[in-house]
Amino acid sequence: GAVVSQHPSRVICKSGTSVKIECRSLDFQATTMFWYRQFPKQSLMLMATSNEGSKATYEQGVEKDKFLINHASLTLSTLTVTSAHPEDSSFYICSAPGGAGQLNYGYTFGSGTRLTVV
Amino acid sequence: GDSVTQMEGPVTLSEEAFLTINCTYTATGYPSLFWYVQYPGEGLQLLLKATKADDKGSNKGFEATYRKETTSFHLEKGSVQVSDSAVYFCALSANQAGTALIFGKGTTLSVSS
Repeated sequence: GAVVSQHPSRVICKSGTSVKIECRSLDFQATTMFWYRQFPKQSLMLMATSNEGSKATYEQGVEKDKFLINHASLTLSTLTVTSAHPEDSSFYICSAPGGAGQLNYGYTFGSGTRLTVV
Repeated sequence: GDSVTQMEGPVTLSEEAFLTINCTYTATGYPSLFWYVQYPGEGLQLLLKATKADDKGSNKGFEATYRKETTSFHLEKGSVQVSDSAVYFCALSANQAGTALIFGKGTTLSVSS
């Protein structure tokens, strides 16, 4: 079945540093990757949509200069949280449409990254 | 725009009780509907899905039927187990290439023995 590998699963960083989160589609080509953020006990909030070879589309209220998204290949999309602050602490999840379920609009999720900024 | 509304939680049940988590949606066109489950500290796992009206998705004893007339996709299980304790998300896809899933707020289920 389709798999999206996301890492790191957990990261603790100091305030002011940058953190990169990677999502790789292992057995299918992900031309699109969705990036979500989840606050404790809340739903998933779509942050941005990345498309291979083009600029990401950010949802309203999401700072594109703070959350840098790169989708340089059909199997890799990255999210970099720049100059992280404690309020950026959250659970970040990527998701790609396609893989085995592409014809019926299936979505495959990464396992998530727990970011803690201290 | 499209949206998903789930019943507020938390839902607390005893083992072997019947479970219903309500989900209704608003959408133009003909969306696909999903239930995802999130166990503590983990990512989302697809539980079941339905792609057209009257379809029934089922997995691990859970079921949900796509009801177009009531715009609903309620999740049910006849006998819950402690291991079912998790957060359940209802979601829809507009079935347009390049569009993300839209999630409900999630319902926390806690099952005690």
